[in-house]
Amino acid sequence: GQNIDQPTEMTATEGAIVQINCTYQTSGFNGLFWYQQHAGEAPTFLSYNVLDGLEEKGRFSSFLSRSKGYSYLLLKELQMKDSASYLCAVRDNPGGSGGGADGLTFGKGTHLIIQP
Amino acid sequence: EAGVAQSPRYKIIEKRQSVAFWCNPISGHATLYWYQQILGQGPKLLIQFQNNGVVDDSQLPKDRFSAERLKGVDSTLKIQPAKLEDSAVYLCASSLEAGTLGAYEQYFGPGTRLTVT
Repeated sequence: GQNIDQPTEMTATEGAIVQINCTYQTSGFNGLFWYQQHAGEAPTFLSYNVLDGLEEKGRFSSFLSRSKGYSYLLLKELQMKDSASYLCAVRDNPGGSGGGADGLTFGKGTHLIIQP
Repeated sequence: EAGVAQSPRYKIIEKRQSVAFWCNPISGHATLYWYQQILGQGPKLLIQFQNNGVVDDSQLPKDRFSAERLKGVDSTLKIQPAKLEDSAVYLCASSLEAGTLGAYEQYFGPGTRLTVT
């Protein structure tokens, strides 16, 4: 089965740094994704990790440890607009040129509240 | 570049009625997904198409849900008959054909919010 855990809610201060953790237990692994979702809107892609290590993209960074089944999303220089839900998702099948299944399994999301 | 389009944006129906949702993916995207997102939870994959063929429908409740993508572009998702627990946002996403550079990224549409009373 698939199990993806992340905290339900976190609060942080504008200008600060916050780390959102995600642990997963899946039958296979072919990449971990982070999406941002503002209330009432569609999820938007933030990051993709398939190898161990840190991927940095502007104010956002994502880390993966496959051996530990663990990832985190790091948000720096927090802004009020960063208040949103952050979804951790795992792709457990590779898809491939043959068109195999590669849909995502999502966690329940972490609701991040930014305070002034 | 136009994004994923979905309609309607909102729908309210009574239980046991039927409803259909429409999705138009990003031009050139061979892969199309339908997800169900219940309030307070992450999206759950219902079905994946590659062009006009079904790749994965293992989590689709086939007794009441059906989906098609006849010409490999637009797709419709139907629920018949609806139950109270079907109240959710139905998200459509698309991506490039598997194996293509950048195919890992899924682009989501704005969703259809369904309320079953």
